[in-house]
Amino acid sequence: SQTIHQWPATLVQPVGSPLSLECTVEGTSNPNLYWYRQAAGRGLQLLFYSVGIGQISSEVPQNLSASRPQDRQFILSSKKLLLSDSGFYLCAWSLTGTGYSYEQYFGPGTRLTVT
Amino acid sequence: RKEVEQDPGPFNVPEGATVAFNCTYSNSASQSFFWYRQDCRKEPKLLMSVYSSGNEDGRFTAQLNRASQYISLLIRDSKLSDSATYLCVANVFGNEKLTFGTGTRLTIIP
Repeated sequence: SQTIHQWPATLVQPVGSPLSLECTVEGTSNPNLYWYRQAAGRGLQLLFYSVGIGQISSEVPQNLSASRPQDRQFILSSKKLLLSDSGFYLCAWSLTGTGYSYEQYFGPGTRLTVT
Repeated sequence: RKEVEQDPGPFNVPEGATVAFNCTYSNSASQSFFWYRQDCRKEPKLLMSVYSSGNEDGRFTAQLNRASQYISLLIRDSKLSDSATYLCVANVFGNEKLTFGTGTRLTIIP
């Protein structure tokens, strides 16, 4: 069965510091991978998605970036955090090539507080 | 107009009652739909997938009305553990991205 891991679970970082969040998936090959952010009391905002190694699509302009160095690894980074980067960061995966639906499965999330 | 719209609630429902949520979508090209549940400070979890007119899983029934472009979720014999936020999601065929509603908050009252 497939599992998705994210770490760390919680993070408190000062404004201007760098960020690196990691997500890995087990039990599947060549998944689609996604990064979302959920601000307190708000809906899910898609930040990045990837359909393959080195292929990153950015959904919103911001000071975040994503990379996919390996098939089942997805990394979210920032060089300098802003207060507005605080939120609940969720990684998700879906199967590819189903040709019909892209059900997504979420990791446990990282709760980031920028102070 | 949002692509997927949900009544944010909150819905406060006594235990054992039946509750229904509606969700409307604006993109007529949407082919598949999902309901996710999200507990407080947790990740969303897939509850049901809806591809044709509807789907039933135990106490949960999802129905799709393509003509009116809405999806509903019915919960029968509600339990305290059903308290959560329910997210409605639409997907266009061949599109890797899902479109999420902002969720409907449900609280089951003992």
